[in-house]
Amino acid sequence: GNSVTQMEGPVTLSEEAFLTINCTYTATGYPSLFWYVQYPGEGLQLLLKATKADDKGSNKGFEATYRKETTSFHLEKGSVQVSDSAVYFCALRNNDMRFGAGTRLTIKP
Amino acid sequence: ETGVTQTPRHLVMGMTNKKSLKCEQHLGHNAMYWYKQSAKKPLELMFVYNFKEQTENNSVPSRFSPECPNSSHLFLHLHTLQPEDSALYLCASSRNQETSGGLYEQFFGPGTRLTVL
Repeated sequence: GNSVTQMEGPVTLSEEAFLTINCTYTATGYPSLFWYVQYPGEGLQLLLKATKADDKGSNKGFEATYRKETTSFHLEKGSVQVSDSAVYFCALRNNDMRFGAGTRLTIKP
Repeated sequence: ETGVTQTPRHLVMGMTNKKSLKCEQHLGHNAMYWYKQSAKKPLELMFVYNFKEQTENNSVPSRFSPECPNSSHLFLHLHTLQPEDSALYLCASSRNQETSGGLYEQFFGPGTRLTVL
């Protein structure tokens, strides 16, 4: 079946540090892959997506590349800010939608 | 107004009360979803509606009763809930699952924070 495994948190970084949140998936066929972000007290917002192998999704300085050979979709950002503090969810859609457990990220000034 | 809206944003209810959560989407989508988000647990899909027809019910207890009168509105009727039902309830919408091949992203509302006393 379809499933998503992402890096357990919480993750705490200093401002301007490099961020990586790992995500791997299991799926048949060719799923679409997503990263969602949830700020405190809010619902999930789509951060970026990729719909086929080797696609790179990017938004707000975040990037993730769809790697079919390693079944991964790791989230990266070169220099994080305090405002990036949130919970990040990796997800795939392959007829149905599957979410990872979420990774809480805290950025300290 | 655009996007997905949910009301109320916060709800406190006793175990004997009956209440309803409302979701409305202004995106022209035909599929709508209810999710439950509990602390320290993965997001749980509860119900899926496609063109107003329920297409998925993930073994949700009958004290949760969904209603989808049209493609833009989705309700979750609550009765005789338990304290463990306290959670954030998220509504989402997307393009029609079948014609899109199930590959389009879902757009979420802000959620209703439910507390059952």
